[in-house]
Formats: sequence, structure tokens, C-alpha cells
Amino acid sequence: DVKVTQSSRYLVKRTGEKVFLECVQDMDHENMFWYRQDPGLGLRLIYFSYDVKMKEKGDIPEGYSVSREKKERFSLILESASTNQTSMYLCASCGRGSGSGELFFGEGSRLTVL
Amino acid sequence: AQTVTQSQPEMSVQEAETVTLSCTYDTSENNYYLFWYKQPPSRQMILVIRQEAYKQQNATENRFSVNFQKAAKSFSLKISDSQLGDTAMYFCAFMKWQGAQKLVFGQGTRLTINP
Repeated sequence: DVKVTQSSRYLVKRTGEKVFLECVQDMDHENMFWYRQDPGLGLRLIYFSYDVKMKEKGDIPEGYSVSREKKERFSLILESASTNQTSMYLCASCGRGSGSGELFFGEGSRLTVL
Repeated sequence: AQTVTQSQPEMSVQEAETVTLSCTYDTSENNYYLFWYKQPPSRQMILVIRQEAYKQQNATENRFSVNFQKAAKSFSLKISDSQLGDTAMYFCAFMKWQGAQKLVFGQGTRLTINP
């Protein structure tokens, strides 16, 4: 069974803290993604990675960075959390060149910044 | 840039009824993919159905079918014989035919199936 695991389902952080959101997939997928989900806005792409140590900005990268040191792990980093980063964060992965467009999602990490 | 619009924030129907969720999109691409994803409460998002733009035939997966109107840039999802387990957020999404496999999502429609 395919699996994308996000390390924390719920986090509460304070303004200015550094926050790490971890995502691990067990499907040997090349492509990994971080989306942010907000009511009325749907999912918006923050960053994606198509290979180890490779990354590209999505539509809303400001305030975020990512790290992909191993193929199975993709981390989202909030260098200095702000209240407007309170949101649900979804990690997803897919194989390269599959062309199917089927992303496999984690259960999400709900972050609250106070 | 591509955009995807879902104009129905919430819908509610009785069990066993048929329901149609609307989606429109904007693109200058000729070839692309369209998708409907389902996000059940507190569970992972999963793919419901996929349509390739070059195919004229509408995709069908059991009780789920789409009405793809390429010229109108419309892509609606029909759920027949709705079940309680269909209660979820539904997202319409677009992906270019070539290049990075990035999905562009709509705002979502919250569908509730009532017993």
C-alpha cells in the first residue's frame, strides 16, 4: 500500500519560531510537493522537488524553504513563523514521467501560529 | 497561467440522489489533464477520476462520471446513487500535458450526503 507520512498532524507554534514539517514517502517517487490548503482558496503549491537536492518554487514560496537530502524525504521549513502561515499543509508525491497526474497525499499537518 | 474555478462552495443532497459538481478552467494549452480529487473528513486526498483533453469520450469510474466540454472549458463531476461515504471536499484540478507534474487546484466544493 502506498504511503505518504507527515510527521505531525497538529502543531502549535509561536510567532518567530522556526518550524519544520517533515514528509516521507515509501513509493520511490522522484517528485514531491508541498501544498497549502486554506478555506475558499483550495490548494496552492509552495515548493516542489523533482529529484534529490533539486527544488523549484511554486506559486506561494515566500516565507518558506525546503530541503530534500534523501529521495524519500521532503521537508518544509518556516524560518520565522508568522500568524498568516496558520494553515493546513499537505505533502504529496508522484513518480516521474508517469503522466497520470495522480498525486499521493499525506494526511496533512495543521499548523497554528500564535 | 492556468486557473481553476469551482463556484459551488457547498452542496447537500439526500442519499441515493444524483449530484453534479461544477468546474471551469482557463488555459491556452491544447493538451492537458483534468482531475477530480476527493478529501474525506480528516483523511487523505485521493484521486476520483481523470480526463485527458484529447479524448472526446467522457471518463467514467463506477458511480462517478464527468461531463467534459473542451470548448467551454467546463469539467463537471456527476455522482450517481450517492452514498454517505461520498461526503467530502471535492477539488477539481488541472495539469499541463508536458513539463513538471504540477497540479493547479480549484477552491473546492464541500459535499454532504444526508441519510
